[in-house]
Amino acid sequence: EPEVTQTPSHQVTQMGQEVILRCVPISNHLYFYWYRQILGQKVEFLVSFYNNEISEKSEIFDDQFSVERPDGSNFTLKIRSTKLEDSAMYFCASSTSGETQYFGPGTRLLVL
Amino acid sequence: GDSVTQMEGPVTLSEEAFLTINCTYTATGYPSLFWYVQYPGEGLQLLLKATKADDKGSNKGFEATYRKETTSFHLEKGSVQVSDSAVYFCALSPDFMFSGGYNKLIFGAGTRLAVHP
Repeated sequence: EPEVTQTPSHQVTQMGQEVILRCVPISNHLYFYWYRQILGQKVEFLVSFYNNEISEKSEIFDDQFSVERPDGSNFTLKIRSTKLEDSAMYFCASSTSGETQYFGPGTRLLVL
Repeated sequence: GDSVTQMEGPVTLSEEAFLTINCTYTATGYPSLFWYVQYPGEGLQLLLKATKADDKGSNKGFEATYRKETTSFHLEKGSVQVSDSAVYFCALSPDFMFSGGYNKLIFGAGTRLAVHP
């Protein structure tokens, strides 16, 4: 069964550094998403991406964040200058139609 | 805006007990409703869904019925197992007619279930 994959599974970085989180969505999916889950808290929507552009973003998704689909398979989330409060589990999801979303296993980001 | 409220956990049950995890929502129109499960150390897995009123979603012995009149989507299982121990998230995808179509998921806070032998 096709799956969403994410790399790395864990990332430790210093405050102020740039990180890129990578995702490979399911191959025939057209809608892509990033969510995050701060430890012990709710899963929160960050951004949705369709037709090579951002379709919606949350208040969390400020100028420090960007997304890109650099080729036909990868979908990346970049945080330009990480802050302590960016420490969280980041989930990528994809969907054929924008309805049912399938999630990857997540990248746990720790900012020191 | 749209929101999801779940019963607070943790819920602790003995094996073979009956499970109910309550979920209610606030939304415009007819959202799609989902239950996701997160096993320890893993990501979110879709457990079941319902896309219109009175639909029943089911999977792995779990069931939930979309109740428009009570704006609820309670998760039930007749006989839980130790392997069901996980965090369960109720979520909605806003009605396409009102959301603009890209359907971010809005999650509840999650309910931790612990099943003991």
